[in-house]
Amino acid sequence: DTAVSQTPKYLVTQMGNDKSIKCEQNLGHDTMYWYKQDSKKFLKIMFSYNNKELIINETVPNRFSPKSPDKAHLNLHINSLELGDSAVYFCASSLLPAGGETQYFGPGTRLLVL
Amino acid sequence: SQELEQSPQSLIVQEGKNLTINCTSSKTLYGLYWYKQKYGEGLIFLMMLQKGGEEKSHEKITAKLDEKKQQSSLHITASQPSHAGIYLCGADDTPNTGNQFYFGTGTSLTVIP
Repeated sequence: DTAVSQTPKYLVTQMGNDKSIKCEQNLGHDTMYWYKQDSKKFLKIMFSYNNKELIINETVPNRFSPKSPDKAHLNLHINSLELGDSAVYFCASSLLPAGGETQYFGPGTRLLVL
Repeated sequence: SQELEQSPQSLIVQEGKNLTINCTSSKTLYGLYWYKQKYGEGLIFLMMLQKGGEEKSHEKITAKLDEKKQQSSLHITASQPSHAGIYLCGADDTPNTGNQFYFGTGTSLTVIP
C-alpha cells in the first residue's frame, strides 16, 4: 500500500493556466506538508496543515492555495501558472507537527510550465 | 527500485559527544543530499555531495560520500542541543530534473545537556 501518494506524477501546462495537485496519505497522520524542490534540490516548505488547520504558511504567492478537505488529504491549487513555478512539488505527512516526528514523503509531482 | 536506508533510526547522545548517521543506497547515486527537520520550519537543506570520495563540512557537521557513491555519512563533532532534530538523506540517480527523487527513513537525534 502506498503511504503518501500524489497525482499527477507529471504535469506539463501552459503559462496562465490553473492546475491542482492532489495528495493523500493512508498513515493516519494528523499533519501534512507541501514542499517545493528547486533545480538545486533545495526543499522549501510552502504549507503545513495539522488536522485540517493551517499551521505553516511560508512566503508563497497568493496564486498558491492549499486545501485540506480532511486530514488524509492536502491538495495544492495553483492559479495563473508562471514559468518560475516549474519545479518538483513534494507532499509529506507526519503523525504530529514536525520536530520530533519523521515526515513521510510522496513521490513528487514534476510541474513544467511552458 | 532505488532505496535509501538510514541508520540508526534514533540516537540519544550526551552533549559534547561525536556521532555519525549513515545513509546507504542500493544503486550508484548522482547526488546525495542531507536535510534537517526543525519544528515549524520543515526541512532545512544542509549539504549536497556529488563526487565519489567528496567531503563537505559546515560548522561542526561533516558529510562524506564514498568512492562508489552508494553510501554517505553525516558526522557531528562535539554535539550540542541545537543539533537535535531529525536528519534526512535524499538522493537522485540521474542528473535529469524529471527523475525520481528518493528520501531516507530519517534519524531522530536527541542531545542531552
